[in-house]
Amino acid sequence: DAKTTQPNSMESNEEEPVHLPCNHSTISGTDYIHWYRQLPSQGPEYVIHGLTSNVNNRMASLAIAEDRKSSTLILHRATLRDAAVYYCILRSGGSNYKLTFGKGTLLTVNP
Amino acid sequence: SAVISQKPSRDICQRGTSLTIQCQVDSQVTMMFWYRQQPGQSLTLIATANQGSEATYESGFVIDKFPISRPNLTFSTLTVSNMSPEDSSIYLCSVAQGVGTDTQYFGPGTRLTVL
Repeated sequence: DAKTTQPNSMESNEEEPVHLPCNHSTISGTDYIHWYRQLPSQGPEYVIHGLTSNVNNRMASLAIAEDRKSSTLILHRATLRDAAVYYCILRSGGSNYKLTFGKGTLLTVNP
Repeated sequence: SAVISQKPSRDICQRGTSLTIQCQVDSQVTMMFWYRQQPGQSLTLIATANQGSEATYESGFVIDKFPISRPNLTFSTLTVSNMSPEDSSIYLCSVAQGVGTDTQYFGPGTRLTVL
């Protein structure tokens, strides 16, 4: 599986935007970029995913670089509930649905 | 989406014993997975639970230690056998419909402590 690199931790203030970076320089053409997050004492939850174009949903936005070697998860207004570990995961297309989790980024949101 | 429940939510066990963890989904799903999350670590995939056939294990995990059953499309069990303190972890099941770029939905996890 292609690897991703994320900062170990980031800090944000409540109601401010947060940009969580992810590097994936060895991404292949069929790899989708998935983001999951794990709130304290919970299982991971899906946030967003994309292939080439930027994506928006009710939770976040995903900005994908033109060469696809990096991406950024954007939380437009951080809340205390957004404090979690955020995982950037590459998942190859086709029938392989396995997820390989890296260490992720621990996001702290300050009130 | 899918709602997933796991039983038990937590347990404390003695070394040398076995524990079976149940995963129940509120709808039929194509794919079910079992993960382990050791203290302070990320998630590691143990195996894919296949309905009606033997599970597919990842490198480093074997059937004798982690037998898995999946009798139907909504239920699976993971047994942690002959436990040692190193098996103390959170065990999570996840499901996917196996369609397109499908997302996975995770259960709340089972927190296991082995003394």
